[in-house]
Amino acid sequence: NAGVMQNPRHLVRRRGQEARLRCSPMKGHSHVYWYRQLPEEGLKFMVYLQKENIIDESGMPKERFSAEFPKEGPSILRIQQVVRGDSAAYFCASSPGHSYEQYFGPGTRLTVT
Amino acid sequence: GQQVMQIPQYQHVQEGEDFTTYCNSSTTLSNIQWYKQRPGGHPVFLIQLVKSGEVKKQKRLTFQFGEAKKNSSLHITATQTTDVGTYFCAGSGGSNYKLTFGKGTLLTVNP
Repeated sequence: NAGVMQNPRHLVRRRGQEARLRCSPMKGHSHVYWYRQLPEEGLKFMVYLQKENIIDESGMPKERFSAEFPKEGPSILRIQQVVRGDSAAYFCASSPGHSYEQYFGPGTRLTVT
Repeated sequence: GQQVMQIPQYQHVQEGEDFTTYCNSSTTLSNIQWYKQRPGGHPVFLIQLVKSGEVKKQKRLTFQFGEAKKNSSLHITATQTTDVGTYFCAGSGGSNYKLTFGKGTLLTVNP
């Protein structure tokens, strides 16, 4: 049973470019969460999605950031016009329900130059 | 908003010594989860505690949830080099899905 998959694992973008991060949840999981982690920090909740629905995006900056989880295909976290402060590790997690443990993917390390 | 504080931030031990990390929430939690993250890795789920005063054991690891459901601890007996990593607690309030993570305790073990 494949775990949560994220790609790319490393992404380098210049300031002003767009970053697209993909997440495929574990088989059978329909709940996806995105977190951001800065060096030596805990994980900060960004957004919680179910198929075709954003349930809670309270942790996501209102500008430049968006997320989706379409009926078919992976969940996408999009960051437009990246700035240096967006450099971080972005982790996706999935669960079979909303009060279950979350299974994390390997993360995407975004570097903005 | 909900805040989860975790101490200590770092802990260095000799192999065979015990280790404890503590977690305190500013609000009452519906459940608390513990994760381990190896350097360069991703968080891996260890356990979930739901009931007030709950104690769970996994081999050398003992997890406790306080009576008031606002604090928790993880205790490792006789640490091994494979225990190295950052241990995070993550609390969930009324929503049951939104996890608030502590900043973690980085454990290093000297062989």
